[in-house]
Amino acid sequence: DARVTQTPRHKVTEMGQEVTMRCQPILGHNTVFWYRQTMMQGLELLAYFRNRAPLDDSGMPKDRFSAEMPDATLATLKIQPSEPRDSAVYFCASGLGYTEAFFGQGTRLTVV
Amino acid sequence: EDQVTQSPEALRLQEGESSSLNCSYTVSGLRGLFWYRQDPGKGPEFLFTLYSAGEEKEKERLKATLTKKESFLHITAPKPEDSATYLCAVQAHWVGGYQKVTFGIGTKLQVIP
Repeated sequence: DARVTQTPRHKVTEMGQEVTMRCQPILGHNTVFWYRQTMMQGLELLAYFRNRAPLDDSGMPKDRFSAEMPDATLATLKIQPSEPRDSAVYFCASGLGYTEAFFGQGTRLTVV
Repeated sequence: EDQVTQSPEALRLQEGESSSLNCSYTVSGLRGLFWYRQDPGKGPEFLFTLYSAGEEKEKERLKATLTKKESFLHITAPKPEDSATYLCAVQAHWVGGYQKVTFGIGTKLQVIP
């Protein structure tokens, strides 16, 4: 049963600390997305990769967020330094080309 | 800028009481409209893709329809297990190198036994 795997599922950290979230996309998928979900804003696109190349990261605060795909089986999202307003659920999703996306279970981040 | 508005924000139905969820959109050239279901504590789960006005798709008690300005998700004789948040998303035609997907806030559906 192919699925997107995200780690960790939950993370509580102190303000100013670095946070790294990891994602293993579905094997064979060539697009990877990072989304942030909050009650007020819903799902917001943070970054988009196709064939491991970043095509859009305009949704990310560039001074503190970074997203990479070191290889086809791993995508990472880093926040440094973290702030309380970064508290949210972060989802990774993967897909084939321009079709529907398959989402992971998410990482619930709490910054205190 | 692409916009997606879903209504109502929340809907409470008795088991067996059919209803519809609405997704209104403004997009510069629609390539596709997606419906997802999201259960608490989980990621969105893909339901349907619609590509052109007049298109309809069905899955069990759900039927999605599309016009030039909105989409409806019809739920026939819902059961408690249909309780979830339903998300609508639109994908524009190729702009600036890729086709961005914009999500609505969602409709939280509760089906009471």
